[in-house]
Amino acid sequence: EPEVTQTPSHQVTQMGQEVILRCVPISNHLYFYWYRQILGQKVEFLVSFYNNEISEKSEIFDDQFSVERPDGSNFTLKIRSTKLEDSAMYFCASKGIGPETQYFGPGTRLLVL
Amino acid sequence: AQSVTQLGSHVSVSEGALVLLRCNYSSSVPPYLFWYVQYPNQGLQLLLKYTSAATLVKGINGFEAEFKKSETSFHLTKPSAHMSDAAEYFCAVSITEAAGNKLTFGGGTRVLVKP
Repeated sequence: EPEVTQTPSHQVTQMGQEVILRCVPISNHLYFYWYRQILGQKVEFLVSFYNNEISEKSEIFDDQFSVERPDGSNFTLKIRSTKLEDSAMYFCASKGIGPETQYFGPGTRLLVL
Repeated sequence: AQSVTQLGSHVSVSEGALVLLRCNYSSSVPPYLFWYVQYPNQGLQLLLKYTSAATLVKGINGFEAEFKKSETSFHLTKPSAHMSDAAEYFCAVSITEAAGNKLTFGGGTRVLVKP
């Protein structure tokens, strides 16, 4: 069964450093998403991406964040200068056309020290 | 804007007892509704979804949920809890008319199953 994969599973970084979180969505999906879950809190939407551009973003997704689909298979989330409050589990998800299910990856746990 | 409220951040049930997890939503347009489960140190797995077909939706692992528009609810039930049901459960809503269909999640309910 096709699945969304994410790398790395864990990342520890120093405050102010850049991190890139990688995702490989399900191959025939067209919509891609990033969500995050701060420890003990709800899952929050960050950004959605369709047709090689951002279709919607939340207020969390400020200028420090960017997304890219560099090669038609990977979908990346970049945080330019990490803050302590960026520590969270980051989930990638993908979806086909219409009201289909969003399939989630296993997440990347980011710890900013 | 849409929102989701899950009543009870923690629920404790005995093995074999009914599991009932409550979810109420707010949406200005017809919603799609979802229940996801998260096992420890894992991602989110879809349990079931409502997308304007039958109001009683059956999902995996014996779970079902009923969409009640008049009550703006989408409560999740399972007649008989199993130890393997111990996990965190998230209700989520998306807007039918938005192409991107972002999910808005509730705060989650952690289920503990007692032997």
